[in-house]
Amino acid sequence: QVTLRESGPALVKPTQTLTLTCTFSGFSLGTTGMCVSWIRQPPGKALEWLARIDWDDDKYYSTSLKTRLTISKDTSKNQVVLTMTNMDPVDTATYYCARIRLVSGPQGFDYWGQGTLVTVSS
Amino acid sequence: DIVMTQSPLSLPVTPGEPASIFCRSSQSLLHVNGYNYLDWYLQKPGQSPQLLIYLGSNRASGVPDRFSGSGSGTDFTLNISRVEAEDVGVYYCMQVLQTPLLITFGPGTKVDIK
Repeated sequence: QVTLRESGPALVKPTQTLTLTCTFSGFSLGTTGMCVSWIRQPPGKALEWLARIDWDDDKYYSTSLKTRLTISKDTSKNQVVLTMTNMDPVDTATYYCARIRLVSGPQGFDYWGQGTLVTVSS
Repeated sequence: DIVMTQSPLSLPVTPGEPASIFCRSSQSLLHVNGYNYLDWYLQKPGQSPQLLIYLGSNRASGVPDRFSGSGSGTDFTLNISRVEAEDVGVYYCMQVLQTPLLITFGPGTKVDIK
């Protein structure tokens, strides 16, 4: 079955770079149409899409955050990595990775990780 | 950027009764292929979001048939034919504009039992 799991530091200091890893199973990012996105949710607030990487290594970023984000994949390890530079307390959030398939259009984020809470504080 | 709005933002419901949530996009989500690039998600308390509806009206695998999505262009509706207690949580609509790729969630509608 499909599973995704986020991992990374629970606490980062302001100005530091955050590195998060999404480790998944049950599908391959080498398969045509497969994509993985990162989405975050500040405490008590709405969801915010951050980035997506596709099977063909195309990458897409949130307009407001694209200067701070880098997404990459290691297909052999079934991992997707997100880095976010210059962290600020407003970046405190639960960070999710989620799978989406492109089949005659995006089929929705059908599988999500459990999320990892990242707190930005000195 | 595309702006997504939802109404109401809070919806008290009675089990067994129908419920509707509305979502509006600041620009059309109707793709040239005829699909509306609009999804619906439910985030139950303490859980990750789960996909309910994709491409405007397609129920995701395992989603009960009491959930249905409709609408086209800029105006969309999620209907629950008969609310059950397990349907409480926050419902989000999400648009997926393709060129360039931009994904935006609505502000969420909190559904709870009266």
